[in-house]
Amino acid sequence: GAVVSQHPSWVICKSGTSVKIECRSLDFQATTMFWYRQFPKQSLMLMATSNEGSKATYEQGVEKDKFLINHASLTLSTLTVTSAHPEDSSFYICSARTSGGGEQYFGPGTRLTVT
Amino acid sequence: QKEVEQDPGPLSVPEGAIVSLNCTYSNSAFQYFMWYRQYSRKGPELLMYTYSSGNKEDGRFTAQVDKSSKYISLFIRDSQPSDSATYLCAMGSGGYNKLIFGAGTRLAVHP
Repeated sequence: GAVVSQHPSWVICKSGTSVKIECRSLDFQATTMFWYRQFPKQSLMLMATSNEGSKATYEQGVEKDKFLINHASLTLSTLTVTSAHPEDSSFYICSARTSGGGEQYFGPGTRLTVT
Repeated sequence: QKEVEQDPGPLSVPEGAIVSLNCTYSNSAFQYFMWYRQYSRKGPELLMYTYSSGNKEDGRFTAQVDKSSKYISLFIRDSQPSDSATYLCAMGSGGYNKLIFGAGTRLAVHP
């Protein structure tokens, strides 16, 4: 149980375009989902927290107009990187948490390369 | 001072050794304590979850939480080359949604 999937696992896009990453909880309902980015050999950096049906809460320094998050259902959250630039190239990971649970279950991650 | 301190390693041990990984923290409000394992270019995998103080055992893994010392540990018995990964501690409190992660310790188990 507690499986989280992400799609795509790897994406290359051109500078100035937008890319959407999906995060799904496959066998449980996720009231809260989180989006992280991770640079090589570094720990996870929380970007935003999203609760189903409400606006995401962004961490300080994360541009909400650039990283659009939608949590439309209890099993799906999306992250859209708008007008991507090479510095947005990174490993993006989502996680999901059930109502009342403290632990988070992570997806396999999406590697974004912006050329 | 960071809220969660974790030695990044790398830690190199021979196969079969007992591995001890640790984190210290400063926020006494933390109630949830977790250990994640992350292989290169993969998402973190939840290994152990402990609420409040105490010990928890699952196969070759034992997690310990000492809230009085603000110190948590993960022990791996009979370590295997497949245990080679980065181990992240994480913790949170009931009043917050987000987890605070340690920097991660890179472990290499050599045959």
